[in-house]
Amino acid sequence: EAGVAQSPRYKIIEKRQSVAFWCNPISGHATLYWYQQILGQGPKLLIQFQNNGVVDDSQLPKDRFSAERLKGVDSTLKIQPAKLEDSAVYLCASSLAPTGGREQFFGPGTRLTVL
Amino acid sequence: QKEVEQDPGPLSVPEGAIVSLNCTYSNSAFQYFMWYRQYSRKGPELLMYTYSSGNKEDGRFTAQVDKSSKYISLFIRDSQPSDSATYLCAMSAGAGGTSYGKLTFGQGTILTVHP
Repeated sequence: EAGVAQSPRYKIIEKRQSVAFWCNPISGHATLYWYQQILGQGPKLLIQFQNNGVVDDSQLPKDRFSAERLKGVDSTLKIQPAKLEDSAVYLCASSLAPTGGREQFFGPGTRLTVL
Repeated sequence: QKEVEQDPGPLSVPEGAIVSLNCTYSNSAFQYFMWYRQYSRKGPELLMYTYSSGNKEDGRFTAQVDKSSKYISLFIRDSQPSDSATYLCAMSAGAGGTSYGKLTFGQGTILTVHP
């Protein structure tokens, strides 16, 4: 079974530039999550999709971050404009359903550096 | 006060030692408790999953949950160099809770097992 795919793996940009990350979840997984993991911290949920609808985006900085999941499969996360404090690893995860503690499968992440 | 507190360590032990990792939490709605392992430059992978209070054992790993004290633990017996990683505790609320399906992570504990 193929895992969660993410690209790019690494990205370096200047502040105020824009950047986009792509995620392809495990086939058949209805729920998709984007997390932000700052160095030395645990992942923090940014947004959760159920199919192509948003379930929770309470911690997404909506003035600069946006995400979509067209057709309920792939997802993109965009930052525009980027700030220095956005430097982090952006993790995508998927699960069969948002059933409490059921396993979320994580991708390898995209490491973003904002200069 | 953070919802989930985890001692970041780092923790360094000799091969064969028993390792104890702990987290405390403040949200009484948490019903599902997990431990994830994260190797360097990889996404987290689920190690142990427990629902409500009690113990769960899987090989060299034992997870304990004490909901009355809002305290969870992970024990690793006969630790191996391959166990060297960051260990993240994570929790989510039960069905009907406002955070259902959303994982809240601890800060992560960096563990090194040296030969």
